[in-house]
Amino acid sequence: EAQVTQNPRYLITVTGKKLTVTCSQNMNHEYMSWYRQDPGLGLRQIYYSMNVEVTDKGDVPEGYKVSRKEKRNFPLILESPSPNQTSLYFCASSSRTGAISGNTIYFGEGSWLTVV
Amino acid sequence: AQKVTQAQTEISVVEKEDVTLDCVYETRDTTYYLFWYKQPPSGELVFLIRRNSFDEQNEISGRYSWNFQKSTSSFNFTITASQVVDSAVYFCALRVSGYSTLTFGKGTMLLVSP
Repeated sequence: EAQVTQNPRYLITVTGKKLTVTCSQNMNHEYMSWYRQDPGLGLRQIYYSMNVEVTDKGDVPEGYKVSRKEKRNFPLILESPSPNQTSLYFCASSSRTGAISGNTIYFGEGSWLTVV
Repeated sequence: AQKVTQAQTEISVVEKEDVTLDCVYETRDTTYYLFWYKQPPSGELVFLIRRNSFDEQNEISGRYSWNFQKSTSSFNFTITASQVVDSAVYFCALRVSGYSTLTFGKGTMLLVSP
């Protein structure tokens, strides 16, 4: 079954304590991306990756890091989380052709992150 | 830059009513793709439909139908005979050819009561 898997699904953490949200896909997709969802703002892209070792900033990259060492994984790193990073996070993937042509983007189930 | 506007923040209907969710988009690109996603209370994003800019055919899938009109830059979504299970937040999104970013509208919360 085609899947994008995120972990953890729910996390409460404290300001400044580094955390990583993992994302893994089993579809051999080249393109992966992270979004955050906030009330009244919809979903906004944080970072994306068009292939292994290729990453680029989205609309709201401040306070986040990513890496793409393997094709299937695209972790989101919060080096020093702050309360304004409390949000619902989504990982997404699609084939590279899909990224260009607009084919379906597959989303993970979301990770609810609270920073206190 | 791309922009997607969902002017309806929240809609409440009674079961079996028809409801239309509006979506207006802005882009200077001639090749682009439009999407609708459903987000139920559990939080996941469920893909509903994708439309190419060069295909203005309307589409019907069961109780769902989509009306794409390039002349008004709109991609509206109609649910016929709504059901309680349709209660969710619905997002319209736009992607232009050659770019990876999916630009979302702010979403419309649909509440269907029995």
